[in-house]
Amino acid sequence: EVQLVESGGGLVQPGGSLRLSCAASGFTFSTYSMNWVRQAPGKGLEWVSYITSSSSTMYYADSVKGRFTISRDNARNSLYLQMNSLRAEDTAVYYCARLRGTGFQDCWGQGTLVTVSS
Amino acid sequence: EIVMTQSPATLSVSPGERATLSCRASQSISSNLAWYQQKPGQAPRLLIYGASTRATDIPARFSGSGSGTEFTLTISSLQSEDFAVYYCQQYDNWPPYTFGQGTKLEIK
Repeated sequence: EVQLVESGGGLVQPGGSLRLSCAASGFTFSTYSMNWVRQAPGKGLEWVSYITSSSSTMYYADSVKGRFTISRDNARNSLYLQMNSLRAEDTAVYYCARLRGTGFQDCWGQGTLVTVSS
Repeated sequence: EIVMTQSPATLSVSPGERATLSCRASQSISSNLAWYQQKPGQAPRLLIYGASTRATDIPARFSGSGSGTEFTLTISSLQSEDFAVYYCQQYDNWPPYTFGQGTKLEIK
């Protein structure tokens, strides 16, 4: 069974840092590009970051560029999102998602909640 | 950046009836469009990709159509489990990947 499990969310103060993880199983993780997508409370979906299967290319939404870093460890079947200089507007459920083809997400994790508040 | 606009924001339909959801792109995206379903407290689920191809295990009552800038998701004979929020997403011109704001399908 294809599965993605996020972890690492929690409450953090503005300006703080957090590292999210996504553990993949049930498929050959090293052959898929991956995305992070977030959803603020009661709001829609927002793409955050993208990484190719080999980590050769990464992209970021303008709203997180320079503050967030996406990475992966194919040996550990894991995807990461390092989030620095966190702001209140980063409060959201963060999902990792597997990409198919040129960019639709065919498998999503259950999400991990990040709350930025003092 | 391509802006995706969904309409209506909320759609009220009775079980057993047909629902038609619309998604418009600010510029042509060919057929590079996906639809997702999200129920409260759950992750999104892929329904349709390539504008009209159903994802694995998606019932035949879900169908997608359109190309260019105008797209439609049709759900024939609504079941109770179909009441949810639906999002469209373009993957033609990225980054960024962009989503519509969602259509909430509610029971009439």
